[in-house]
Amino acid sequence: GENVEQHPSTLSVQEGDSAVIKCTYSDSASNYFPWYKQELGKRPQLIIDIRSNVGEKKDQRIAVTLNKTAKHFSLHITETQPEDSAVYFCAASKDQAGTALIFGKGTTLSVSS
Amino acid sequence: SAVISQKPSRDICQRGTSLTIQCQVDSQVTMMFWYRQQPGQSLTLIATANQGSEATYESGFVIDKFPISRPNLTFSTLTVSNMSPEDSSIYLCSVALNQETQYFGPGTRLLVL
Repeated sequence: GENVEQHPSTLSVQEGDSAVIKCTYSDSASNYFPWYKQELGKRPQLIIDIRSNVGEKKDQRIAVTLNKTAKHFSLHITETQPEDSAVYFCAASKDQAGTALIFGKGTTLSVSS
Repeated sequence: SAVISQKPSRDICQRGTSLTIQCQVDSQVTMMFWYRQQPGQSLTLIATANQGSEATYESGFVIDKFPISRPNLTFSTLTVSNMSPEDSSIYLCSVALNQETQYFGPGTRLLVL
C-alpha cells in the first residue's frame, strides 16, 4: 500500500523567509497530492493540491511541485508570516481512483517575527 | 466547499462503553471517510463509508470495533465500541466533493477513562 514520508518534522524560520517541506510517496499509481494546514485545535484545511498531470501549481505565496519520476512533491511558502505557523500535512491518494488519502506525519512550522 | 458538522464535538467516556459519532453534510456527496488523529500525530484513515453497502476498512481497523453506517448521501456514523484508553483520539469525517478534493469536519475529541 501507499506510504508517505514527510520532512522535516519541525521547521523554524524568520518572518519573510521561505519555507520548504518535502514529501515522498511509494505507490506510482497515486495521482493526487494535497497539502493541509492544521492550526492548534482546528480541523485540517486544504491549502493547495496537485494532480499527476501537472508539474507545478502556484497560489499566491504557496506553490507545490511534483516530480513523478522521483515520486516526491514539495510545498513552498514564500514571504512567510507569523500566521503561517501551523502543522502542515502532505497526503497522497491511496490508489489510482484518487479517493482515500494517506498522510505524512506532519511538519510543525514556526514563523517568528 | 461544503458545510460539515459532527456530533458530539467532544466526550469523556468510561472504558468498555461505546460512542456513536455523527457526520452531517449540507449537500449530497459521493465519498465519505473516517479518520483518527491521535494526540500530536498525523491522520490515519479508518474506513471509507459507502452508501448502500458495507464500509471498506483499512488494515488494522475492523468492523466489530468501528461499525460505520451510511444511510444516505449526506450522513454517516462511526461507532467506537468497547472503548479503552487507547481509543482516546480525535475522530474526523471527511467528504469528497468531486472525486478527489476532500474537506474535513470539525472533529470529535474523545477521552476514554
